[in-house]
Amino acid sequence: KNEVEQSPQNLTAQEGEFITINCSYSVGISALHWLQQHPGGGIVSLFMLSSGKKKHGRLIATINIQEKHSSLHITASHPRDSAVYICAVGGSGGGADGLTFGKGTHLIIQP
Amino acid sequence: KAGVTQTPRYLIKTRGQQVTLSCSPISGHRSVSWYQQTPGQGLQFLFEYFSETQRNKGNFPGRFSGRQFSNSRSEMNVSTLELGDSALYLCASSFYPLREQYFGPGTRLTVT
Repeated sequence: KNEVEQSPQNLTAQEGEFITINCSYSVGISALHWLQQHPGGGIVSLFMLSSGKKKHGRLIATINIQEKHSSLHITASHPRDSAVYICAVGGSGGGADGLTFGKGTHLIIQP
Repeated sequence: KAGVTQTPRYLIKTRGQQVTLSCSPISGHRSVSWYQQTPGQGLQFLFEYFSETQRNKGNFPGRFSGRQFSNSRSEMNVSTLELGDSALYLCASSFYPLREQYFGPGTRLTVT
């Protein structure tokens, strides 16, 4: 069973700051997902990564397969980025091969 | 393109009852996964269906079951409800298993 650890659990920053959220996992995977959840429950998929780096607007996600580690970066953070960011991994093999989720990082961006 | 829809959005049941939740995936998506989210356990994988076949099942008791129809719509059923089943139930669809997932708004189930 894959163990997914995220850090930090909570993060409060000022508008404009560069944000980094980290995710580590214990077993090799086929893909890692970064998800965003706003109050009210809706979840949006931000990235799906199997190697390297992806960028979408102010968001950048990287993954290091050898170190079993991924980071999500937010540049020029804005109050609308306030949300819970969740890392999830899949494709570890075995009987229950659905996504395994981290506990999430609660991000608050203050104006 | 319409997103993933889930019905009902809110549900209140009493212990011992059973409940059926429905999920309609994005048109063309053949894979549907179900997840449970609680404050204590976070998000947990329930099961995944692809082309009407259950591919994977998470570590949940047999009271939790599901199925997928030929039009890719999926239902999950929970029998003999317990207080601990109170949660947000999310479904997500993708074109193929282990691809980018698109989440529905969820069904919030309260068991009293």
